[in-house]
Amino acid sequence: NAGVMQNPRHLVRRRGQEARLRCSPMKGHSHVYWYRQLPEEGLKFMVYLQKENIIDESGMPKERFSAEFPKEGPSILRIQQVVRGDSAAYFCASSPGVTFPYSSYNEQFFGPGTRLTVL
Amino acid sequence: DQQVKQNSPSLSVQEGRISILNCDYTNSMFDYFLWYKKYPAEGPTFLISISSIKDKNEDGRFTVFLNKSAKHLSLHIVPSQPGDSAVYFCAADTLEYGNKLVFGAGTILRVKS
Repeated sequence: NAGVMQNPRHLVRRRGQEARLRCSPMKGHSHVYWYRQLPEEGLKFMVYLQKENIIDESGMPKERFSAEFPKEGPSILRIQQVVRGDSAAYFCASSPGVTFPYSSYNEQFFGPGTRLTVL
Repeated sequence: DQQVKQNSPSLSVQEGRISILNCDYTNSMFDYFLWYKKYPAEGPTFLISISSIKDKNEDGRFTVFLNKSAKHLSLHIVPSQPGDSAVYFCAADTLEYGNKLVFGAGTILRVKS
C-alpha cells in the first residue's frame, strides 16, 4: 500500500524559471493538501483540492502560484517565475476527506516533500 | 498570527525517562489536535490525535492530554527511546469544511542513550 508520493524530491531552479511539483495521493484518498515549510518554521497550509476542484486556496500567494488536481494523474503545484524566497520544502498530504454526516476524523498523511532551491 | 505555539524549540531527555512536549493554542474553534513526528528529509508522520471533547488519548507509549480551559495540550512519551529523536509538531484543525491543519513551529526532541 504505497503512501503519498511526491516528485521530484529535490528541485533546483534559477530565478525566473518555473517549478512544477507533483503529488500522488494514497490509494483511496480523494483529497489533497499542499503545505510549505520555510527554514526554522512549521508547515503552513497553502491549498486544499479535490479532483478537478479547488476547495480552499486561502494560503496560496496571490501571484505566481497555482495548483490543480485533474481527473487523471497527480496533483500539480506550479510556481512561475521563481524567486529566492520560494526556496522551501513543499509537502503534499492526502486524506479520504470529511465524512458527511460527520462520523470520524480522517487524519492527513504526508508525502516526503520536495525541496525547492532557487539560485 | 500564531494560533498554535510550541514555545520550547528543543528538549533533551535521557533514554527510559518521560518526554513531555507542550503546545498552546489561541483559537477556541479548533475541533481536533494532532501530533506529528518528523525526521530530517522526510515528511511528517502522524502520531496521535485528540478530539476537543476529550481530555486524554493514549496509544502505546504516547499519550496526549488536552486542557481546554488553558488552551494547552501536551504529548507524553514513556519510556523515551533514542529512535524518538525527531522534530515534533503540534497541529490543530477546525471541521468547518475539510481539514486545514495549523501547525506549531516544532520542538526538537533528543533522547540520549
